[in-house]
Amino acid sequence: SQTIHQWPATLVQPVGSPLSLECTVEGTSNPNLYWYRQAAGRGLQLLFYSVGIGQISSEVPQNLSASRPQDRQFILSSKKLLLSDSGFYLCAWSGSGTGANTEAFFGQGTRLTVV
Amino acid sequence: AQSVTQPDIHITVSEGASLELRCNYSYGATPYLFWYVQSPGQGLQLLLKYFSGDTLVQGIKGFEAEFKRSQSSFNLRKPSVHWSDAAEYFCAVGAPGNTGKLIFGQGTTLQVKP
Repeated sequence: SQTIHQWPATLVQPVGSPLSLECTVEGTSNPNLYWYRQAAGRGLQLLFYSVGIGQISSEVPQNLSASRPQDRQFILSSKKLLLSDSGFYLCAWSGSGTGANTEAFFGQGTRLTVV
Repeated sequence: AQSVTQPDIHITVSEGASLELRCNYSYGATPYLFWYVQSPGQGLQLLLKYFSGDTLVQGIKGFEAEFKRSQSSFNLRKPSVHWSDAAEYFCAVGAPGNTGKLIFGQGTTLQVKP
């Protein structure tokens, strides 16, 4: 069966420090991959998605970047964190076809606090 | 513009009472519709989805939702709420072929009174 792993679960980083969050998917190939952010008291906002290796689409301008070095690996990065980058980050995957079972599956999330 | 509205930010119901969480969407075509549930500090779990066909869909944990095209709504219901249903609920719309590219509502927090 398919599983999605996201780490770390929690992270406290100082302002100006770099960031690297990793997400991997098992049990499927060529998934669509997504990074979402959930700010305190707000809904989820799509940050990036990828339909293949090296293919990244950014949904909102921000201080973050994403990369997909392997088919089932998705990384969220920042060179210098801002206080406003604090939030709950969720990785997700979905199938790449238009079939009926291509809903998105979410990881357990990373709670990032920038201090 | 595409959007999802969950009018109720917070709802409190008594255990055993019925529940309805509202969701309205604005979308250019027939959307794929989802309800997810999130426990505190956790990821999202899919409750149910609507892609096509029967407009009343059944999900996990005794939840159901009805797609009403004329009202642009996809309300979530449960006949009898359990204390373990306390969580945050998100309605979302997606597009065929890229169903992880979701537009979420702001979420509704459900509190269950004993």
